[in-house]
Amino acid sequence: QVQLQESGPGLVKPSQTLSLTCTVSGGSISSGSYYWSWIRQPAGKGLEWIGRIYTSGSTNYNPSLKSRVTISVDTSKNQFSLKLSSVTAADTAVYYCASSPLRYAFDIWGQGTMVTVSS
Amino acid sequence: QSALTQPRSVSGSPGQSVTISCTGTSSDVGGYNYVSWYQQHPGKAPKLMIYDVSKRPSGVPDRFSGSKSGNTASLTISGLQAEDEADYYCCSYAGSYTFDVFGGGTKLTVL
Repeated sequence: QVQLQESGPGLVKPSQTLSLTCTVSGGSISSGSYYWSWIRQPAGKGLEWIGRIYTSGSTNYNPSLKSRVTISVDTSKNQFSLKLSSVTAADTAVYYCASSPLRYAFDIWGQGTMVTVSS
Repeated sequence: QSALTQPRSVSGSPGQSVTISCTGTSSDVGGYNYVSWYQQHPGKAPKLMIYDVSKRPSGVPDRFSGSKSGNTASLTISGLQAEDEADYYCCSYAGSYTFDVFGGGTKLTVL
């Protein structure tokens, strides 16, 4: 059973780039056909889809974040990553990574990691 | 403001049934059979309960069911149990520009 684990800095300064990594265990990120996604949730608020990357490497992004988001895969480390540039306090949230076997749903979730944007 | 509209809260007594609605447009809920539902307990990651409008992943009790009519999707929980108390979110594919949109979430209280 695939498991996901997010990692990265818990505190990022305004205007800097938020960088998070999701490590995949229990399976290979490059085997089969999967979507690998990032989703975030500000405290006390709802979920917001950030974007996804396919096993092939192609990406889809939330139009409202597209100019600031990059999602990439590192098959050698069995990881996929999120970079969000020019962050502000509005980007403070719990960030989740998730995966699904080529369907429009999020089957498996990481436990989430809290990122605070503050100077 | 979320793209999909859900009631902020619903409640029911143990053993009863409750239905949570998720209203979108013809560009998302009404246009595709790709509605999913997630259960989230406090401090925990969301859990997939329904995908493709009405399909249940392995391990999800058949007390949980999904449906769709026009631009509104629904999650019905029958035989309510105390552990069903949680936040529930719907999500829909919305085409090759917007991709995925979530509802604002519904807090289910088991009385």
